Amino acid sequence: EAGVTQFPSHSVIEKGQTVTLRCDPISGHDNLYWYRRVMGKEIKFLLHFVKESKQDESGMPNNRFLAERTGGTYSTLKVQPAELEDSGVYFCASSPRRTSGKETQYFGPGTRLLVL
Amino acid sequence: AQSVTQLGSHVSVSEGALVLLRCNYSSSVPPYLFWYVQYPNQGLQLLLKYTTGATLVKGINGFEAEFKKSETSFHLTKPSAHMSDAAEYFCAVSVPLSFQGAQKLVFGQGTRLTINP
Repeated sequence: EAGVTQFPSHSVIEKGQTVTLRCDPISGHDNLYWYRRVMGKEIKFLLHFVKESKQDESGMPNNRFLAERTGGTYSTLKVQPAELEDSGVYFCASSPRRTSGKETQYFGPGTRLLVL
Repeated sequence: AQSVTQLGSHVSVSEGALVLLRCNYSSSVPPYLFWYVQYPNQGLQLLLKYTTGATLVKGINGFEAEFKKSETSFHLTKPSAHMSDAAEYFCAVSVPLSFQGAQKLVFGQGTRLTINP
């Protein structure tokens, strides 16, 4: 069974440009999460999807970030326009439908974003 | 609010020595606790988790952790370190989200473990 995959693995862009990160969750996992780790800080929750529905985006830093999950399969996270403080590692995670807080979230390898 | 504190951003031990990575949590409800490991150039991998039941939890690669409610701790241990254990380790607590049954993970700062030959 394939794990969570993320693309690209690395991205270097200039301030003001747009970047789109993609996440493919484990097949059949309805829950999809985005997290971010800014350098030197802890990993922080950004948002949560159930299938195609955005359920909680309380962790999104501002309106420059837009997440979508087309057809309840893969998800994209767009940053437009990118700022220096957006640099970090963006992780995607997925878990099965029935969540009780006990389920394991399966993480992808992350996308390392550097904004110059 | 739930939070996690990992004591020591860097820990160095000799090969064959005891590994002890400390984690303390703050939670207003019975916590679900997790340890994840990130090897170089890889994603986060679950080592072990505590939900309910036995407070001593065994995980992969010889790691274990003990949930101590009175100390609000969930320290990770391994009796004998191996070179392949070099990685970054993250302790996390599960926090409910608005959608029923959904949860987010609140992480500690991470501890980078170095193994000396």
